[in-house]
Formats: sequence, C-alpha cells, structure tokens
Amino acid sequence: DVKVTQSSRYLVKRTGEKVFLECVQDMDHENMFWYRQDPGLGLRLIYFSYDVKMKEKGDIPEGYSVSREKKERFSLILESASTNQTSMYLCASSPGGPKTQYFGPGTRLLVL
Amino acid sequence: QQQVKQSPQSLIVQKGGISIINCAYENTAFDYFPWYQQFPGKGPALLIAIRPDVSEKKEGRFTISFNKSAKQFSLHIMDSQPGDSATYFCAASITSGNTGKLIFGQGTTLQVKP
Repeated sequence: DVKVTQSSRYLVKRTGEKVFLECVQDMDHENMFWYRQDPGLGLRLIYFSYDVKMKEKGDIPEGYSVSREKKERFSLILESASTNQTSMYLCASSPGGPKTQYFGPGTRLLVL
Repeated sequence: QQQVKQSPQSLIVQKGGISIINCAYENTAFDYFPWYQQFPGKGPALLIAIRPDVSEKKEGRFTISFNKSAKQFSLHIMDSQPGDSATYFCAASITSGNTGKLIFGQGTTLQVKP
C-alpha cells in the first residue's frame, strides 16, 4: 500500500513564525504536491516537484516555499505565517505521468 | 481556461436515491478526468476516472458520464448509501509531460440520509 505521511495532524502557530510542514512517501514516486484545502475553494495547488531539487509553482505560491532534498521527502515552508494561511494542507505523491495521486491525511494549521 | 467548475457545493440525498455531481471545463487540452472521494479526517482518494474517448465509465454504483462537445462530465452515484457521505472532487489533467498535475473542482459535500 502506498503511504503518504505528514508530520503533524494539527498545528497552532503565531503570526510571523516560520512553519515547516513535512511530507514523506514510501513508494519511490517522482512527483510530489502540496495543496491547501478551503471550504468552497476545493484543492488549490501551492507547489509541486517532479524530481529531487526540482520544483514548480502552482496556482497560489505566494507566502510559501518548498524543499525537496530527497526523493521521498517534500517540505512546505511558510516563511512568516499569517492568519490567512490558516487552512488544511494536503500533501500528495504520484508516479511520473498522469497517474493517481495519493494523499496524506492532511495538516490542519491555525495561525493566531 | 485552467479552471474546473463543480456544482452543487452541497447535496443531500435520501438513502437509495441517485446523487449527481456536475463539472465543467474550458481547456480542450484536458484528456484525463478523475474523481476523488474524501471522508472526514482523511485525504482524498481516487474513486473513478475517465478519458474523453469514451462517453461513460461505470464501476459498481459509480458512473462517470462525459460530454466532450459540452465540455462537461458528471458523477452519478446509484442507490446512494449513508457510507457514501463524503466530499467529492472532480479534476482534470493534461497527460502529455511527466508532472501529473491535476486541476481540481471546488468540491461537493454529499450527505446521504438514512
């Protein structure tokens, strides 16, 4: 079974803090993705990576950065958290090409 | 042009009824259309997918209908059950290239009443 794990299920941070969200997949997938999920807006792509050290901006990259130093790990970084970044963050991975994306359980982030 | 529009935002259906969720797209380059199902506290998971060379795909109680000329596709859940209560997302993708990037709809929260 494909497993995508996320470092935290719930996080509470203060405005201005630097926040790290970690995602690990165990299926040697080339592609990894970070989304945020907000009611009525669906899943919006923040960043994705199709190879180690490679990244591309998604639809809403502002205020975020990513890091992929190893194939199995993809990190999302909020350089200076703001209240409008309160959301559910979902990580996904997939093999190369238009294949099924496998999602982690999500991290619910609250920025106070 | 990259958007996928999904409706309704929420849906309440009686047990045994048919649930219908609709999606529309603009980009004719899209050639892969999956549906994902998300239960509370879980990440989305692939439910069923279709390519535009067929007009319908059925897996158990779940059917995708695809209308290429109208640029619309829909999910039908026959004999809806309380266990089908979840959030459903349609998505679209362009299969050329290697990124597997999906464009998701806004999501539909389905409640099936016993």
